[in-house]
Amino acid sequence: QKEVEQDPGPLSVPEGAIVSLNCTYSNSAFQYFMWYRQYSRKGPELLMYTYSSGNKEDGRFTAQVDKSSKYISLFIRDSQPSDSATYLCAMSASGTYKYIFGTGTRLKVLA
Amino acid sequence: EAQVTQNPRYLITVTGKKLTVTCSQNMNHEYMSWYRQDPGLGLRQIYYSMNVEVTDKGDVPEGYKVSRKEKRNFPLILESPSPNQTSLYFCASGASGSTDTQYFGPGTRLTVL
Repeated sequence: QKEVEQDPGPLSVPEGAIVSLNCTYSNSAFQYFMWYRQYSRKGPELLMYTYSSGNKEDGRFTAQVDKSSKYISLFIRDSQPSDSATYLCAMSASGTYKYIFGTGTRLKVLA
Repeated sequence: EAQVTQNPRYLITVTGKKLTVTCSQNMNHEYMSWYRQDPGLGLRQIYYSMNVEVTDKGDVPEGYKVSRKEKRNFPLILESPSPNQTSLYFCASGASGSTDTQYFGPGTRLTVL
């Protein structure tokens, strides 16, 4: 079993839809949870970061962490064609700089 | 402009021919790391460095070497490349003490024949 599982998609939605992206994990030591966005032929860029459990909102993006279920989510409201990209979740444990990434979910927002 | 640069961006080589992929950052970051990205496997960490002369293994270090002699540079060395090292490689950097933000380079696509 992989430490981090992420549905690869692709996920196609119409413009304006609410998008839900998810990752599950098995290592209870993970404390830091990140979402990266990766456009085609580019390096990943950090979107959201959450420490431990809870929610975090930034504009149209909301990150949620449920440590009891070992489940994290990224919600995108009012999705735009420019949101079309691959979204990667990433996690690390406290006191370490080792990062475990999900395989990424390809999202396509149709105009 | 704050950035992480990698060279070369594309490289085709043959099995066994030593190569180095360079990585440089201009943000005075202590932390630097190398990843490889493969379809279906995602991003996997190869090596990371917390500061000059301090390096540690990630999840997939076999077949790779790194060195950190200067703060801004973190080259990835393949002493004897093999076809299973064909991949897309990313270098990243971040501020020490900040486990959230990593800044990624543009990637190096390596093909080993």
